[in-house]
Amino acid sequence: DADVTQTPRNRITKTGKRIMLECSQTKGHDRMYWYRQDPGLGLQLIYYSFDVKDINKGEISDGYSVSRQAQAKFSLSLESAIPNQTALYFCATSAGTVYNEQFFGPGTRLTVL
Amino acid sequence: GQSLEQPSEVTAVEGAIVQINCTYQTSGFYGLSWYQQHDGGAPTFLSYNALDGLEETGRFSSFLSRSDSYGYLLLQELQMKDSASYFCAVPGMDSSYKLIFGSGTRLLVRP
Repeated sequence: DADVTQTPRNRITKTGKRIMLECSQTKGHDRMYWYRQDPGLGLQLIYYSFDVKDINKGEISDGYSVSRQAQAKFSLSLESAIPNQTALYFCATSAGTVYNEQFFGPGTRLTVL
Repeated sequence: GQSLEQPSEVTAVEGAIVQINCTYQTSGFYGLSWYQQHDGGAPTFLSYNALDGLEETGRFSSFLSRSDSYGYLLLQELQMKDSASYFCAVPGMDSSYKLIFGSGTRLLVRP
């Protein structure tokens, strides 16, 4: 079984709709992250959380919100989706070691029409 | 601010050696990481350098020079399956437990 799962894997929606992307992990890690990936732009950090009560904005948080429902669950919401939020979204976790190795989920491909 | 620069694309022949460079601008440096991502897949961790020098892991090696704010990933005995994108990353200035990624280098291995 995958250690980091994301649902849905693909989603097509319309401008103005509210969308929630969910991430669950069985690795027991405290640290969870949401990234967005656009072609040629690498991975951009949207939000990150070090525990249930600690949530922080990343570099591109405008238009997004998150919820850390439990240590294992971290959801990303687009309150009113717009076409330039069309991208590949990744959730990741880390144990907070010196290596800070991050473990990524399979990604959610979101298309906003 | 923080920034990382990598070449956008590199092409090499199967069995050859290829080097992917990364230069970074940051303060409070804690280490340089490398991740691999195949098309349609998730990024996976390859290596981490906190100190100057070369770290070797099988066919892959990673090098860091903190004085030059420079590192590279060295791939030896290239295989077709090495065709992927490679990202360097540094910790965030405000938190060492978040990563700032470069825009990635797409490696194409030709037969």
